Amino acid sequence: GEDVEQSLFLSVREGDSSVINCTYTDSSSTYLYWYKQEPGAGLQLLTYIFSNMDMKQDQRLTVLLNKKDKHLSLRIADTQTGDSAIYFCAERIPGTYKYIFGTGTRLKVLA
Amino acid sequence: DAGVTQSPTHLIKTRGQQVTLRCSPKSGHDTVSWYQQALGQGPQFIFQYYEEEERQRGNFPDRFSGHQFPNYSSELNVNALLLGDSALYLCASSSKGGGLGETQYFGPGTRLLVL
Repeated sequence: GEDVEQSLFLSVREGDSSVINCTYTDSSSTYLYWYKQEPGAGLQLLTYIFSNMDMKQDQRLTVLLNKKDKHLSLRIADTQTGDSAIYFCAERIPGTYKYIFGTGTRLKVLA
Repeated sequence: DAGVTQSPTHLIKTRGQQVTLRCSPKSGHDTVSWYQQALGQGPQFIFQYYEEEERQRGNFPDRFSGHQFPNYSSELNVNALLLGDSALYLCASSSKGGGLGETQYFGPGTRLLVL
């Protein structure tokens, strides 16, 4: 079935690295996304990766993809208090225009 | 360059009523998707519009319907509102027909409360 799973909470200290994890179910070629949602706001696209890639780096963000285990992670280097938000992993279902989102990981950054 | 805009920002309705939410896509975008985000949950795909037609639908009842206009803007209509329809409704737009590789950009959402 179509499902994207994430852990619910993560707490880190300012300046440390954060790693947010996600597992997805469809192993076909597709795009996988990370979005950030701040309180009361819509979703902000952070980065995305195609399933034929293993890694993508974009400034403080690094996405790692383990296709064998269907595991996606987002690493945020030098985490700041402004990074506190909910982070959603999303998968585009291959052959469709449908996107499946995880339940979100709430990141809390402690000063 | 305006991003995705939605109106209204907040709305309160009572059970059984009908509601219409509106979305204007990002400039240059031609594809609009609608999502429902219940409190504490991730967004759930309702449907997607392209060329004024609904071309993909998620697991939502027929009470949820939509429309896309020639200028690519879109409306989401919900009939016979239930308490469980209370949620943040998000609109997302993409370009080039939303093909693989085209990313979605989200609006700020409309928060609907059904009493």
